Amino acid sequence: EPEVTQTPSHQVTQMGQEVILRCVPISNHLYFYWYRQILGQKVEFLVSFYNNEISEKSEIFDDQFSVERPDGSNFTLKIRSTKLEDSAMYFCASKQGVLGNTIYFGEGSWLTVV
Amino acid sequence: DQQVKQNSPSLSVQEGRISILNCDYTNSMFDYFLWYKKYPAEGPTFLISISSIKDKNEDGRFTVFLNKSAKHLSLHIVPSQPGDSAVYFCAASVETSGSRLTFGEGTQLTVNP
Repeated sequence: EPEVTQTPSHQVTQMGQEVILRCVPISNHLYFYWYRQILGQKVEFLVSFYNNEISEKSEIFDDQFSVERPDGSNFTLKIRSTKLEDSAMYFCASKQGVLGNTIYFGEGSWLTVV
Repeated sequence: DQQVKQNSPSLSVQEGRISILNCDYTNSMFDYFLWYKKYPAEGPTFLISISSIKDKNEDGRFTVFLNKSAKHLSLHIVPSQPGDSAVYFCAASVETSGSRLTFGEGTQLTVNP
């Protein structure tokens, strides 16, 4: 069964460092997302991406965050200068089309900022 | 953000019995609802969904019921199995908006042998 894959599975980084989380969405999917879950909290929406541009972003997704689809398969989330409060599990997700389609999630990248 | 709420943080049932997980929402614009199952340190796994034009959707042991007037949905698992033990999240979206999901807090289901 096709799946969303994410790398790395776990990353530890120093506060202030840049981090790039990588994702390969399901191949025929057109909509891509990043969500995160801080330990003990809800899964939260960060950003959606369609047709090579951001279609929606949450208030969490500030100027420190950016997304890119550098080629036909990868979808990346960059955090420019990490803060302690960025420590969370980051989930990439993808969806095939607009209506009646399910969003499928990857296994997650656990980011620890120290 | 309290638009989707799962008021029961945990539920414990015996193997073979029915598990009923509940979810309430406040945003009347939501028109598509999903249930995900999640194990620790893994991503949410899709279980079942329902559109607001329906009030029930069934897939094997899993049935989702939607009561739009009450803004309430529930997931029934019959019969429950020990392998069903996980955290269950309900999520809601406005389908035509690109389907940003709003999640509930999750309910930890434990199915005892």
